[in-house]
Amino acid sequence: GAGVSQTPSNKVTEKGKYVELRCDPISGHTALYWYRQSLGQGPEFLIYFQGTGAADDSGLPNDRFFAVRPEGSVSTLKIQRTERGDSAVYLCASSPGTTDTQYFGPGTRLTVL
Amino acid sequence: QKEVEQNSGPLSVPEGAIASLNCTYSDRGSQSFFWYRQYSGKSPELIMSIYSNGDKEDGRFTAQLNKASQYVSLLIRDSQPSDSATYLCAVRWRGGSEKLVFGKGTKLTVNP
Repeated sequence: GAGVSQTPSNKVTEKGKYVELRCDPISGHTALYWYRQSLGQGPEFLIYFQGTGAADDSGLPNDRFFAVRPEGSVSTLKIQRTERGDSAVYLCASSPGTTDTQYFGPGTRLTVL
Repeated sequence: QKEVEQNSGPLSVPEGAIASLNCTYSDRGSQSFFWYRQYSGKSPELIMSIYSNGDKEDGRFTAQLNKASQYVSLLIRDSQPSDSATYLCAVRWRGGSEKLVFGKGTKLTVNP
């Protein structure tokens, strides 16, 4: 079946702009995770959804970052007033349940100029 | 204090050799450990998971876990050039989200 998909694959924006990154998890997966990966680093946890609710948002760096999953499937990560330091690859992962293997999407490379 | 530590490498081995990748973690109560492979410009791909002390083998890959020493390793036998990638160690953090905490990764190059 189809894996995790993310759109866009690349996003270039200017400092101060608003961006939305989309994640479409594997069908039937209830758990959805967002991670951020900077060059030369491992992925860093941002937020976790179980169903529609954000069960753990402790990794969001500040209040410019927000994510939703209104119907328990597709999720959108929203970044307001982007800064150059937000440039990274944003990875989405899903799993059938909380304790199951997480499967990663291809990522969105965000570049803030 | 780093929570998951890996030798950043790079690690270079000749084709056919054994590649040994190491990882230590700080949370003594962690129960689930994963090795992901990441090719340049691609997303992480799970290659091994291990939950109990000892060895777990899958083809050319062997994961080893020692919870007392808070140490997990990955051995790749008969290394191939196609194994050249960054290998990420991940630990599932207890409680709540069960998020994965990753090390920085070890870049492996297998030379033909």
